[in-house]
Amino acid sequence: ENVLTQSPGTLSLSPGERATLSCRASQSVRNNYLAWYQKKPGQTPRLVIYVASSRPAGIPDRFSGSGSGTDFTLTISRLEPEDFAVYYCHQYSDSPRTFGQGTKVEFK
Amino acid sequence: QVQLVESGGGVVQPGRSLRLSCAASGFTFSSHAMFWVRQAPGKGLEWVALTSYDGTDKFYADSVKGRFTISRDNSKNTLSLQMNNVRPDDTAVYYCTRDGPLAAVGDYWGRGALVTVSS
Repeated sequence: ENVLTQSPGTLSLSPGERATLSCRASQSVRNNYLAWYQKKPGQTPRLVIYVASSRPAGIPDRFSGSGSGTDFTLTISRLEPEDFAVYYCHQYSDSPRTFGQGTKVEFK
Repeated sequence: QVQLVESGGGVVQPGRSLRLSCAASGFTFSSHAMFWVRQAPGKGLEWVALTSYDGTDKFYADSVKGRFTISRDNSKNTLSLQMNNVRPDDTAVYYCTRDGPLAAVGDYWGRGALVTVSS
C-alpha cells in the first residue's frame, strides 16, 4: 500500500502566520489524486484540497495545495483562528486508499 | 442538498457482529463510489472500505479484510458495512462519504456512527 508520511507532527503558529504542511508518499500518486482534509474535534472531516491543488467551493483562497509524484504541500497563507485543527492528506489513486497520520496546527 | 446519515452504531462484544447503514439523499446515489472512513479515539483517520458506483468493485483496508463487507442498494440509496468478528481495535467513529464529481473525493460526509467493542 501507498504509505503517506506527514510532517511536521505539530506546527505551533500564531494567527496571521503562514503554515506549510508536507505529505510524502512511498509510491507515486497517479493523476495527482491527493486530497487534504481539515478535522476538528467533534466535527466531520472537511475537504480543503483535492487533485493536489483544486479548492472546493466555499474554501477560502488562503488554502492552497501543490506538488506531484510523491511530494505534496498544503499551505495556509495567513492563519485565521478557525484554521487551527488537524490536517490529513489522503491518496485515492490506488486501493487500498490511505491517509497520512495528520499534522496538528496549534496556537503558539 | 446532499445528506449522508449513518445508523446502527452501538456497543458490541468482541467476536460479535454489527451492521452500519448510511442513508443518502440529495444526489444521484447510483452515480457515485461510496466509502467508509473511521477514527478511533485519539487517533487519526483510517480508510476502511470502498464500493464502486454499481457495487461490482469493492476494496478493503488490510485491517478489516475478511471481516468487514461493504455493500450498497441503489434502489434504496443505502450504503452498508457488515462488521463481523469485531475486535476492540475496531472501536471508532465510522463515517460514510462519497467520491464527488471531478475527483472531489470526500466532498460530503455523514456525522458518523460510534462503534464501541467491549465486553
